[in-house]
Amino acid sequence: QVHLVQSGTEVKKPGASVRLSCKTSGYTFSSYGITWVRQAPGQGLEWMGWIAGYNGKTNLAQKFQGKIRMTIDTSTSTALLELASLRSDDTALYFCARDVVGLSGQSWFDIWGQGTLVIVSS
Amino acid sequence: DIVLTQSPDSLAVSLGERATISCKSSQSVLYGYNNNNYLTWYQQKVGQPPRVLIYWASTRESGVPDRFSGSGSGTDFTLSIDNVQAEDVALYYCQQYYTNPTFGQGTRLEIK
Repeated sequence: QVHLVQSGTEVKKPGASVRLSCKTSGYTFSSYGITWVRQAPGQGLEWMGWIAGYNGKTNLAQKFQGKIRMTIDTSTSTALLELASLRSDDTALYFCARDVVGLSGQSWFDIWGQGTLVIVSS
Repeated sequence: DIVLTQSPDSLAVSLGERATISCKSSQSVLYGYNNNNYLTWYQQKVGQPPRVLIYWASTRESGVPDRFSGSGSGTDFTLSIDNVQAEDVALYYCQQYYTNPTFGQGTRLEIK
């Protein structure tokens, strides 16, 4: 069975950085991409970007370029998301999800992680 | 970016009735090469991640009850839920993948 398991809640001060993980299992990691989506408290879903599972190629939403970095660790079938220069409006639930079509993130997402809550507060 | 606008923002229906949610796109998401509409629907229950219900605008995901159906083409799409059950209380989102993905703002379904 396919699973995406995300790292736990993070509490950070403004200006800090954070790294989130998304460990996958139950499928061939290199055959699919991973997308990251965030959801601010009480708000909707926002696509942040995509990373290919076979070579780490990324496609980042313009809004987040320079703010985030996506990487993969193929040895552990894990996707990683780093956010820099955190602000209070980065407080959100961050989801990873498996990309079905596998072309730069232009896809629907069939399996989702449980989400990681990032709280940015002084 | 393609903007998706859902309506209504919330709706309340009686158990057993039909719920209909609209999703309008700022530009067509129909790809002429393969005649597919690059649109999907998700359900998100409180405290859970989204769950895909429909992709290619009208293809039901495996395991999704046939009470859920998607229709539409180009810029206008609809998610219909027949015989609404208490378990259908959730937020529903449309998402396009014709370009970099964008989501509608969500529609909250409640039981009257």
